Amino acid sequence: QQQVKQSPQSLIVQKGGIPIINCAYENTAFDYFPWYQQFPGKGPALLIAIRPDVSEKKEGRFTISFNKSAKQFSLHIMDSQPGDSATYFCGAGSYQLTFGKGTKLSVIP
Amino acid sequence: DAGVTQSPTHLIKTRGQHVTLRCSPISGHKSVSWYQQVLGQGPQFIFQYYEKEERGRGNFPDRFSARQFPNYSSELNVNALLLGDSALYLCASSLDVGRGNTIYFGEGSWLTVV
Repeated sequence: QQQVKQSPQSLIVQKGGIPIINCAYENTAFDYFPWYQQFPGKGPALLIAIRPDVSEKKEGRFTISFNKSAKQFSLHIMDSQPGDSATYFCGAGSYQLTFGKGTKLSVIP
Repeated sequence: DAGVTQSPTHLIKTRGQHVTLRCSPISGHKSVSWYQQVLGQGPQFIFQYYEKEERGRGNFPDRFSARQFPNYSSELNVNALLLGDSALYLCASSLDVGRGNTIYFGEGSWLTVV
């Protein structure tokens, strides 16, 4: 079964810090890599996504870095805020998505 | 515009029972997918439907089935419930089934099997 490995499992940063969450995938046919944010008791909400023809994509404070040769991608959150405290999931796929196990981010004031 | 809507939001069932979960996609979206999210894990793909036809199936037993209706809404059915079926069941919709289609999740249905 195709896997997506996500790390770290949990992360604590101070307000204003730049948390970085990493994901690695196996299937070279995957061509769509989204990140979702999930708050307790809620469904995942799309944050940002990238396709393998670019190495970086930025939307507001969120940036995806993509390394096709290493089959890795990461999420950076600039100027993190306490409101960013949530669980983040990376996904990878073509027609259906395979998700990582999630990273619980806590941003402390 | 309304997002993906799911019902019921919470339910408790007994082992061996059957459950039906319902989903209405975003207006204009023709594809619906179902995912299972066990506590502390990422969503796991169960089914994808497009134009009433199954377009993908994840690694789940035959106790799990689904269908899509002409109005693009969908049902997920689970028979002979096991304790391990306790999870958040997420419905996601997308415009179609092309490569790299953006999927939008609903709030989910929390199923507890006792």
